[in-house]
Parts: sequence; C-alpha cells; structure tokens
Amino acid sequence: QQQVKQSPQSLIVQKGGISIINCAYENTAFDYFPWYQQFPGKGPALLIAIRPDVSEKKEGRFTISFNKSAKQFSLHIMDSQPGDSATYFCAASLGNEKLTFGTGTRLTIIP
Amino acid sequence: DAGITQSPRYKITETGRQVTLMCHQTWSHSYMFWYRQDLGHGLRLIYYSAAADITDKGEVPDGYVVSRSKTENFPLTLESATRSQTSVYFCASRGRTNTGELFFGEGSRLTVL
Repeated sequence: QQQVKQSPQSLIVQKGGISIINCAYENTAFDYFPWYQQFPGKGPALLIAIRPDVSEKKEGRFTISFNKSAKQFSLHIMDSQPGDSATYFCAASLGNEKLTFGTGTRLTIIP
Repeated sequence: DAGITQSPRYKITETGRQVTLMCHQTWSHSYMFWYRQDLGHGLRLIYYSAAADITDKGEVPDGYVVSRSKTENFPLTLESATRSQTSVYFCASRGRTNTGELFFGEGSRLTVL
C-alpha cells in the first residue's frame, strides 16, 4: 500500500527551465509534507517543507504548491541549474510519526 | 565530527550470513530510523526507535532485528541475509520536538550474493 505516490520517475530539464515534480497522498490526516534532495553517494537532506494550513511555500528558487482538496502537492524548481541534478523525494507524516516517502524522481538538468 | 555516521559504508556478504550495520549519532536525538532505498520503491522504513529501549516496526521489518541500548547507537542486524536484502540502507535521526526534519547518514551499500 503506497500512501504517497510520486511522479515522474525521471525528469530532464534544460538549464534555466522549470522543474516540476508531483506527489499525491491518501491519508487526509497527514499534516507535514517535506521534500528531500539526495545527491549520488549521499543521504537525503531536507530541502523544503509545508504544513496543510498554507497553499504555497517559497524558499529561493524552490516552491511547494499544496492542494488540500485534491490531496496533491508539488515541487517547482525555477531557473533550474546543473547543480540541482539530484534525486528528489516527497514525503508525508502525521504528527510525530514516521515519514512515508514517495518513490523518488531523478532530475537531470542539461546545459 | 558531530553528526550521524554509518558503518560499514560497503559490505558484500553471502546468503545466510548474519550482518550488522551500525549507526551512531552525536546529537542525542531521541528518534532514530532505518530505511532501505531501492529503485522504484524509494525509501521504505524498516524499524524506528523513539528512545533507548523503545523500538517499533516500520513498513518492511521482516528479516531485520534492531536494538537501542544507548541513545546514540541504533544497529540493524540481518540475521540470515537474503539476496532480496541487497540494498542501500540509511540511518536517520530526529529530535524529540517535531520540526519534522530527519538527518540522514551517508548510507551503507549491502550486497548479498
């Protein structure tokens, strides 16, 4: 049973373009939605997170859009750079409980 | 250095052997987690611990054993390794107050032949 579904599995974007990764969740009780970034050979690291009381959160070039009624949230990377090439995971949790991760998106930014 | 460290980083073993992956954190975080990462499955939770001597199963616990006698250590043992346990294993920790942020180690790549 996959509680957090992530798409696409891989994504190629040209430098300067917008990268968009989507996630959908099933448990309406989830109250915390982070995105993690993972570079090859490294562990994931928190990139940005949102709680369901807001519809959007922006940090620099990274924005989370959250649609509570559709049970969906997405990560937008503006002005994508080669250094953004990594694997991105969405996740969700309820309170202090453990995080449930999506299956990951391998993002490649080409010059 | 402070942080969360995993050992070994790479391990090759044979089917049926016992393997222990070590995880050590210096932040005195209450919560510790073990995930496995597999292509197409993302990160799946194996076991977690809310404090010393308190552990609980995650999504895929079968074939694994954990213990937490000290706050800073959370070893993961494969009692009789199988090929399906070939994976990259990540340990993570989090403080008691839920900012939500997990801090991950750099992973242990395990190959079971």
